[in-house]
Amino acid sequence: DTAVSQTPKYLVTQMGNDKSIKCEQNLGHDTMYWYKQDSKKFLKIMFSYNNKELIINETVPNRFSPKSPDKAHLNLHINSLELGDSAVYFCASSQGPGSSGNTIYFGEGSWLTVV
Amino acid sequence: GIQVEQSPPDLILQEGANSTLRCNFSDSVNNLQWFHQNPWGQLINLFYIPSGTKQNGRLSATTVATERYSLLYISSSQTTDSGVYFCAVRGSQGNLIFGKGTKLSVKP
Repeated sequence: DTAVSQTPKYLVTQMGNDKSIKCEQNLGHDTMYWYKQDSKKFLKIMFSYNNKELIINETVPNRFSPKSPDKAHLNLHINSLELGDSAVYFCASSQGPGSSGNTIYFGEGSWLTVV
Repeated sequence: GIQVEQSPPDLILQEGANSTLRCNFSDSVNNLQWFHQNPWGQLINLFYIPSGTKQNGRLSATTVATERYSLLYISSSQTTDSGVYFCAVRGSQGNLIFGKGTKLSVKP
């Protein structure tokens, strides 16, 4: 069973569209994250939720809106997609936020291409 | 915030060679992880190693937290070891802060 699963794995869409990426974890963790990997392979945090509450919100355009219906799910909705949004988006989870000594587990990534 | 620097940025090896990848970080941390991103893009956990030494097959890692660095050793490299190796440390808010990675190419 996949611990952190994301859908869709690949998404090609036109500029201006609205799209969502879903993430689910079955590890019983209480903290989930969204990371973005750009074309230069640099991985950077976008959002983090702990028990459905937003705890990290990095400088990300407000066209990006995370939603956590429960602590096992963290979805990412993107409005008015732009070419620069093309990237790989990784969902991750861990037990506990803060400087906790716990491993963070990543999903397999969602490749978003905006044309 | 914490800075994470990895070296070298690129590494080309002949199959069977050994290598050492380095990760320096700018502040004390209590959580450090090494990842391998394979050519298919998957991020694979290699080690959770805030201090000390761990070994897993041909791979081992050592973190000297007091001196703010970690090393990843790959012995008898294989073509399947190719990919990007990331070091990441835990920030004060709990998220991982990644280095820019070391791109490893192992030639047959």
